[in-house]
Amino acid sequence: GAVVSQHPSRVICKSGTSVKIECRSLDFQATTMFWYRQFPKQSLMLMATSNEGSKATYEQGVEKDKFLINHASLTLSTLTVTSAHPEDSSFYICSAKGGLAPDTQYFGPGTRLTVL
Amino acid sequence: GNSVTQMEGPVTLSEEAFLTINCTYTATGYPSLFWYVQYPGEGLQLLLKATKADDKGSNKGFEATYRKETTSFHLEKGSVQVSDSAVYFCALSLIKAAGNKLTFGGGTRVLVKP
Repeated sequence: GAVVSQHPSRVICKSGTSVKIECRSLDFQATTMFWYRQFPKQSLMLMATSNEGSKATYEQGVEKDKFLINHASLTLSTLTVTSAHPEDSSFYICSAKGGLAPDTQYFGPGTRLTVL
Repeated sequence: GNSVTQMEGPVTLSEEAFLTINCTYTATGYPSLFWYVQYPGEGLQLLLKATKADDKGSNKGFEATYRKETTSFHLEKGSVQVSDSAVYFCALSLIKAAGNKLTFGGGTRVLVKP
């Protein structure tokens, strides 16, 4: 149980385009989802926290108009990287909290974004 | 602010060797401490956790003890297997209204050779 999926696993796009990444909790309802960014050989950095049906809370320094987060249901959150640029290339990971262990975050496998 | 520091890898070991990954933290409060593991091609999985001083978390032969006096949460396993090859992340969480944000260390890659 407590499986979280992400789609796509890898995406390559041209500079200036937008990319949407989906995060789904497959067998539980996620009251809260988190989006992280990970650069090579670096820590996971929390970008934002999203609760179903409300606006996401962004961490300091994260542009909310650049990284649009929508948590439309208890099993789906999406991250849209708008007008992507090469510096947005990174590994994006989501996690979800809820289910039988509501204090534990369950992580997705991550999405590798490459912006050309 | 809050931060987690863990030893850089990669750590290369032979099968059945003893593994230690050091983790220290700074926190503005009394955190819960976690170890997550990421196997190749998979998401992060919670390995173990401890919520108060002197608690010992354990799972799959791994152990870590919450040491408040040294602000540490070192991960140990007495006899590693090839299947333990993965990246290990130490993390802390402070319970807030926003809900259990995690602060991660940089990760330590462990490679166990047969």
